[in-house]
Amino acid sequence: KAGVTQTPRYLIKTRGQQVTLSCSPISGHRSVSWYQQTPGQGLQFLFEYFSETQRNKGNFPGRFSGRQFSNSRSEMNVSTLELGDSALYLCASSLAPSGGYNEQFFGPGTRLTVL
Amino acid sequence: EDQVTQSPEALRLQEGESSSLNCSYTVSGLRGLFWYRQDPGKGPEFLFTLYSAGEEKEKERLKATLTKKESFLHITAPKPEDSATYLCAVSQGAQKLVFGQGTRLTINP
Repeated sequence: KAGVTQTPRYLIKTRGQQVTLSCSPISGHRSVSWYQQTPGQGLQFLFEYFSETQRNKGNFPGRFSGRQFSNSRSEMNVSTLELGDSALYLCASSLAPSGGYNEQFFGPGTRLTVL
Repeated sequence: EDQVTQSPEALRLQEGESSSLNCSYTVSGLRGLFWYRQDPGKGPEFLFTLYSAGEEKEKERLKATLTKKESFLHITAPKPEDSATYLCAVSQGAQKLVFGQGTRLTINP
């Protein structure tokens, strides 16, 4: 069974640009969550999607947005990039929202560098 | 505010030297406590889920336990391939995991 896939794996952008990251969940999984990982802040929750609807959102500015498609694939977008947005962006999938009981399985991440 | 604190930040052991990693948490209405392993440059790999105090789970050289305030990840007779960062996370009723900062474990041959 294929795991969570994320594209691209590496990305270099300059300040002010925007970026779109893609995530394909494990087959049959319908919930997709996004996390940002930095050395200083660790892993922080961005948002979660299920059935094309955002169900939860973390404490990030509106420049961070996402969406989910009918096949459960998800994208996240960051507009007006800042140096501090440099991070590993991780996507995680789970079967369905379970009120926090289900395991989440992570992809390899997209390493974003903002110059 | 939900908090997860892991200790120690880093741990260096000799091969075969058993030890424990700690994860203490403050969250109301804990739904699950999750342990992950993360290798450099990779995404976290799921290890265990614990749901209630007193629960224990084992996998090869790893055993996870849970009390009302903390969880331990016991590593028995570790090997160099067990070197990684071990992350603890809690969920409270949403698909949002709150992570600790992790313990960076190094096993020297």
